[in-house]
Amino acid sequence: QKEVEQDPGPLSVPEGAIVSLNCTYSNSAFQYFMWYRQYSRKGPELLMYTYSSGNKEDGRFTAQVDKSSKYISLFIRDSQPSDSATYLCAIPYNQGGKLIFGQGTELSVKP
Amino acid sequence: NAGVTQTPKFRILKIGQSMTLQCTQDMNHNYMYWYRQDPGMGLKLIYYSVGAGITDKGEVPNGYNVSRSTTEDFPLRLELAAPSQTSVYFCASSVPGTKTGELFFGEGSRLTVL
Repeated sequence: QKEVEQDPGPLSVPEGAIVSLNCTYSNSAFQYFMWYRQYSRKGPELLMYTYSSGNKEDGRFTAQVDKSSKYISLFIRDSQPSDSATYLCAIPYNQGGKLIFGQGTELSVKP
Repeated sequence: NAGVTQTPKFRILKIGQSMTLQCTQDMNHNYMYWYRQDPGMGLKLIYYSVGAGITDKGEVPNGYNVSRSTTEDFPLRLELAAPSQTSVYFCASSVPGTKTGELFFGEGSRLTVL
């Protein structure tokens, strides 16, 4: 079993839809959980991070962690065409800054 | 601030050739990384460095070498290129000691080995 698994999609939704992106992980010791956004032909950029369980909201984006089921989610409300990108979950596994990435989900929001 | 700069952006190599991907950052970050990204596979760590003169292997180091002579530069060397090294390569940097692990990425170098 991979340490972090993510459905690669692609996922296509109409503008205004609520989008749910998900990852599962295997190591219960993980505490920080991150979402990176990667536009086409660009490098990933940090979108949000959460610590332990619970929700974190930033505008139209909500990151959610359920440690009991080892499940992390990113919700996008009122999705816009500008949200079209690949979304990668990532988990740091030591203080050296090394991250384990999910496979990434390619999202397309159609006008 | 340019952030993390990678060159070249695109390159085609023949099997057996060698080349160096350049990476430089102007944020005075001690930690630097090389990742490769293949379709549907996420990012895999090749090598990383916690400071000048210190490097270590990541998950997929075979066929690559790195050096870190300055804080700013972290070149990745490909020796005897193989088709399996066709990928997009990303250099990244980060501030040491951060628990959240925010990495700052360059725009990538697309390499094709034919």
